[in-house]
Amino acid sequence: QQQVKQSPQSLIVQKGGISIINCAYENTAFDYFPWYQQFPGKGPALLIAIRPDVSEKKEGRFTISFNKSAKQFSLHIMDSQPGDSATYFCAASVRASGTYKYIFGTGTRLKVLA
Amino acid sequence: DSAVTQTPKHLITATGQRVTLRCSPRSGDLSVYWYQQSLDQGLQFLIQYYNGEERAKGNILERFSAQQFPDLHSELNLSSLELGDSALYFCASSVGAGTYEQYFGPGTRLTVT
Repeated sequence: QQQVKQSPQSLIVQKGGISIINCAYENTAFDYFPWYQQFPGKGPALLIAIRPDVSEKKEGRFTISFNKSAKQFSLHIMDSQPGDSATYFCAASVRASGTYKYIFGTGTRLKVLA
Repeated sequence: DSAVTQTPKHLITATGQRVTLRCSPRSGDLSVYWYQQSLDQGLQFLIQYYNGEERAKGNILERFSAQQFPDLHSELNLSSLELGDSALYFCASSVGAGTYEQYFGPGTRLTVT
């Protein structure tokens, strides 16, 4: 119940295309859903995040779509660029004992072809 | 500089040894989190400290321990190292104990031979 399932494991997209990464969860206590971007040799960087009281959040070319009833959320990267090639992690956070615990998905390796 | 910093960047050691990884949080952040990232396990939460006190525990082995010092930097101690402990170890920080956003450091790559 604490898992976050992420798919696909890897994704290849042409430059200018739309990259879509999906995550699903079971625990309805999760109340914060961030996406992280990680380049090789670097730490994960917070990209965009959403709370379950909204269905969509957009920041530039990055959009999170959130479906509370289906317990699913997804990251859409519009007009994908070669510089977007990285590993993307979704996460879900649950408040417990006065702190927030992150549960991460297993990651999606995105390659955008020039 | 307000970024999370970690030292060393790389560490190679032998089985059975003990190592210490160091993390300095962003300026003003009171919480430090430690994560292990291995190829087959993804990012696993190990432990959190808030203002010097342990706040939450994840999948941390008994051979591992951590502490946060009065200047808020944190150290992760790994002892009796095994080959399977080879991984990237990340530190993250946040403003408070119950703050949503966590900001990650560049990581320490540990190789146990």
